[in-house]
Amino acid sequence: QVQLQESGPGLVKPWETLSLTCAVSESSISGGYFWGWIRQPPGKGLEWIATFYYGGSTYSNPSLHSRVAISVDASKNQFSLTLASVTASDTAVYYCARTFITMSALNYFDIWGPGSLVTVSS
Amino acid sequence: IVLTQSPATLSLSPGERATLSCRAGQSVGTHLAWYQQKPGQAPRLLIYDVSNRATGVPARFSGSGSGTDFTLTISSLEPEDFAVYFCQHRSIWPPTFGGGTKVEIK
Repeated sequence: QVQLQESGPGLVKPWETLSLTCAVSESSISGGYFWGWIRQPPGKGLEWIATFYYGGSTYSNPSLHSRVAISVDASKNQFSLTLASVTASDTAVYYCARTFITMSALNYFDIWGPGSLVTVSS
Repeated sequence: IVLTQSPATLSLSPGERATLSCRAGQSVGTHLAWYQQKPGQAPRLLIYDVSNRATGVPARFSGSGSGTDFTLTISSLEPEDFAVYFCQHRSIWPPTFGGGTKVEIK
């Protein structure tokens, strides 16, 4: 079955750049779905970060827009999130996910990675 | 669009009926989903487009509503249903989530 797995540093210093990678198995990232990142501060709710389509557009949350970038390595079937100039408020579990409805950017997410906790602290 | 979920916590016993509410700050039409999240796990899509159960979701879960007011109903709580539930819309950018309702064992 389709699986996603986040990886990256668990600790990032303030004002540095957070980088996470999502490895996808049993589903090609160029295969008609959009992919995304969502985060969840400890004990709090979910916040959508960004959604993209391989070879197409990237949509990001206006609250994070200028700090977010998405990159794709199709040869490895993985994609990455970078979030610049982080502060303590960026501490969260970061999830990568696949959208539910094909060929639709504005979407729900039905397949999620287990999540990766990133703490921003000096 | 702000999604407001109520109550924040619902204390019920197994076998009881759970009714969770999600209210949108403006109409989202029928573009609303519900997720279940257990501690230490990623959210699981339960219901999409208001009332459609995702694959493998038991029939005791049902959704209803339209526009700004939505309800997730669990007809008879099973032990594995005690969790946090979030709603999410996909009406306009950005998609947003509600703050969640925790269903706990009474």
